[in-house]
Amino acid sequence: QVQLQESGPGLVKPSETLSLTCTVSGGSISSYYWSWIRQPPGKGLEWIGYIYYSGSTNYNPSLKSRVTISVDTSKNQFSLKLSSVTAADTAVYYCARVVKTVRGVMSYYYMDVWGKGTTVTVSS
Amino acid sequence: SSELTQDPAVSVALGQTVRITCQGDSLRSYYASWYQQKPGQAPVLVIYGKNNRPSGIPDRFSGSSSGNTASLTITGAQAEDEADYYCNSRDSSGNHYFGTGTKVTVL
Repeated sequence: QVQLQESGPGLVKPSETLSLTCTVSGGSISSYYWSWIRQPPGKGLEWIGYIYYSGSTNYNPSLKSRVTISVDTSKNQFSLKLSSVTAADTAVYYCARVVKTVRGVMSYYYMDVWGKGTTVTVSS
Repeated sequence: SSELTQDPAVSVALGQTVRITCQGDSLRSYYASWYQQKPGQAPVLVIYGKNNRPSGIPDRFSGSSSGNTASLTITGAQAEDEADYYCNSRDSSGNHYFGTGTKVTVL
């Protein structure tokens, strides 16, 4: 059974770079997309971006200038870097596995496995 | 627009049926997936594709889609179904979007 675990600093200073890692256990990182999602306190979910195991990425247009997602297949990990953070980046950050399914001419995506989430606070 | 709009809150009597809707232009081309989130917990996938349930999700959860609207229906709501529900879909550029979320209260 695949499990995901987020790790990284819980406190980041304004203007610095937030760095998180998601470790995949119980399965291979290959052949899937892997995503980061965040949730500010009391608010809804926000998709940050995803990476395919081969390294191709797609980012939320509203965060694209500050986000980098990378993958390390040898360690079965993928990572998030968010630069120039402000208090608005305070949130619970989740990593998730994204499955792509093709049925005839239709394709669809869904996030079937999630990490428990890690809280990141941006404060001096 | 790629935004996905949901009603902020709905309530349902125990054992009754509730439908949660998600509206957005991208839903004309892509299926939504649905996630249940209880306080302090990570989201859990409940419906994906045309109307598929992951293993372990009760069959009282079902999904449907028509035009620009996707729906999640809970038939015979239970107390443990009280949670926030989010839809998710993607646009033609490969960007994903979550709906605004619906809080379901079971009375």
